[in-house]
Amino acid sequence: GENVEQHPSTLSVQEGDSAVIKCTYSDSASNYFPWYKQELGKGPQLIIDIRSNVGEKKDQRIAVTLNKTAKHFSLHITETQPEDSAVYFCAASITGGGADGLTFGKGTHLIIQP
Amino acid sequence: GAVVSQHPSRVICKSGTSVKIECRSLDFQATTMFWYRQFPKQSLMLMATSNEGSKATYEQGVEKDKFLINHASLTLSTLTVTSAHPEDSSFYICSASLAGTGANVLTFGAGSRLTVL
Repeated sequence: GENVEQHPSTLSVQEGDSAVIKCTYSDSASNYFPWYKQELGKGPQLIIDIRSNVGEKKDQRIAVTLNKTAKHFSLHITETQPEDSAVYFCAASITGGGADGLTFGKGTHLIIQP
Repeated sequence: GAVVSQHPSRVICKSGTSVKIECRSLDFQATTMFWYRQFPKQSLMLMATSNEGSKATYEQGVEKDKFLINHASLTLSTLTVTSAHPEDSSFYICSASLAGTGANVLTFGAGSRLTVL
């Protein structure tokens, strides 16, 4: 099955700086890569996703890049703010997430230092 | 946007009792719902895939007789933890896939924290 590795497990950045979280996946058939933000005691919220026919996607301060050859994808958050502090999970799916669920990375605890 | 509601958000029960958690898609029909389990400071582990009108598909290592899943309608799936024990204490999260759109984007519920005494 699919295996998703995520790094780092904890990331601390100064407010206003950029944060980058990286994930690798094992199954070259995976074609859907969402990123979720989870605040304490809550369920994951989708913040951005990318499909394998696209190399980069941006939504205001967040962006995701995908390298299919290397089987890795990254989340980029620019101009970080205190409310960005949370746990971020990457995930991968072969069927686009709707049919067989998602395989999650272990998560990155992002801490924004004021 | 699509909303998935989970109930209860928190439940405390005695060892040996059964607990039911509901997952509802509020404004869309979900042919498929997923149940995840999350331990503190860990990732989400897929437990089972719930398909409306058919038996759930369980992941390897998940006891289907312990974690009963019912998906009786396109808007409701339930997870029943039977004869709960302290090791079943965890955060259980459901997600649903919007039927028929082809978008296959999953929407997650807010989770249910189970504590077994």
